[in-house]
Amino acid sequence: AQKITQTQPGMFVQEKEAVTLDCTYDTSDPSYGLFWYKQPSSGEMIFLIYQGSYDQQNATEGRYSLNFQKARKSANLVISASQLGDSAMYFCAMREGNRDDKIIFGKGTRLHILP
Amino acid sequence: GAGVSQTPSNKVTEKGKYVELRCDPISGHTALYWYRQSLGQGPEFLIYFQGTGAADDSGLPNDRFFAVRPEGSVSTLKIQRTERGDSAVYLCASSSTGFLGTEAFFGQGTRLTVV
Repeated sequence: AQKITQTQPGMFVQEKEAVTLDCTYDTSDPSYGLFWYKQPSSGEMIFLIYQGSYDQQNATEGRYSLNFQKARKSANLVISASQLGDSAMYFCAMREGNRDDKIIFGKGTRLHILP
Repeated sequence: GAGVSQTPSNKVTEKGKYVELRCDPISGHTALYWYRQSLGQGPEFLIYFQGTGAADDSGLPNDRFFAVRPEGSVSTLKIQRTERGDSAVYLCASSSTGFLGTEAFFGQGTRLTVV
């Protein structure tokens, strides 16, 4: 079974609009961490935002926020006021327990921002 | 350089040949990770080094894959008897804390094509 599911292979959004990228996860470990990464065409993975399973509040980092719904095992990324430079692949990822070394990635969503 | 450097950026090799992929981490980073990203997929964990030793090599797909980090800095991923299924982008990341998710920096990857 997939641990991280991203159901949107691709999305097209008008510049300046908000966009939500979906992510659901599956784990039986009560302690886990959720991440979002951006991968532009240059190839490197850029860390965007992190949510711990015990965090009481949804994480925010500038224009990025994570809509964490624990009971639904959902960790959607919200990008406000999208920009052309936001066009990229976006990956949701999870760390289980306190393991520092291994992160499981979803298949990604390709986001296209339209001018 | 300031970031994680991977060489070569592209490698085309014939089926059955041996290849080496190099990763230069950020200076002083003790933790180093290798991931493999196949077309249309998210990155998959291969191996994690803490210093010179492989702390977790459970992601290496078979014994054709081997990685070393003899002096605790540069790492080389070695693939013997390459197969077409080995074609992918190989990503390297390094971290000063050993915590991959929020503290790691990724290189731009080596795109390996086996023909």
